[in-house]
Amino acid sequence: DTAVSQTPKYLVTQMGNDKSIKCEQNLGHDTMYWYKQDSKKFLKIMFSYNNKELIINETVPNRFSPKSPDKAHLNLHINSLELGDSAVYFCASSLWTSGNTGELFFGEGSRLTVL
Amino acid sequence: AQKITQTQPGMFVQEKEAVTLDCTYDTSDPSYGLFWYKQPSSGEMIFLIYQGSYDQQNATEGRYSLNFQKARKSANLVISASQLGDSAMYFCAMREGRNTDKLIFGTGTRLQVFP
Repeated sequence: DTAVSQTPKYLVTQMGNDKSIKCEQNLGHDTMYWYKQDSKKFLKIMFSYNNKELIINETVPNRFSPKSPDKAHLNLHINSLELGDSAVYFCASSLWTSGNTGELFFGEGSRLTVL
Repeated sequence: AQKITQTQPGMFVQEKEAVTLDCTYDTSDPSYGLFWYKQPSSGEMIFLIYQGSYDQQNATEGRYSLNFQKARKSANLVISASQLGDSAMYFCAMREGRNTDKLIFGTGTRLQVFP
């Protein structure tokens, strides 16, 4: 069973289009994240949600809109795609409680290519 | 200022030898956590090891150990008895404080293990 699954794994689209990436975790975690990994492999947090509530929004353009229908799902919708949006987008989840390290469990990544 | 610095863009090691991957961090918060992740060429992010700022002992997980030097603000990853399958990108990351779930990543080190 895949713990954190995201779809699609690959996405190729034209500039100006709108696209979504879906993420689901079956670990019972209460916090979910979106990270962006650029072509130089740098990983940067975009958003985090805790129990469906937005906790972190890291100066991401408002073309990016996360949506968390429940604590097991966190989707990412991107409007008016630009060339610079090409990257690998990782979904992750964690359960941060006393006595727990709170490490992130990552999905396999979704490689977005904007032409 | 960079919160997490990995000064080695690439490292080579011969199979069965040990290798140390460097990581220094910058924080004024007395409570923090340090993580190492491995990213093989297949792209997934794999959690390796965790060190809490108040942990008295250096963390170990199988062939991975963390050389934690608090005064120097360094958290180097030591991989003993390297295997060909250890070839990957390695990321150091930090969570600052008790009330955040945000992990900040370094730029990574690409490790290549040769026979």
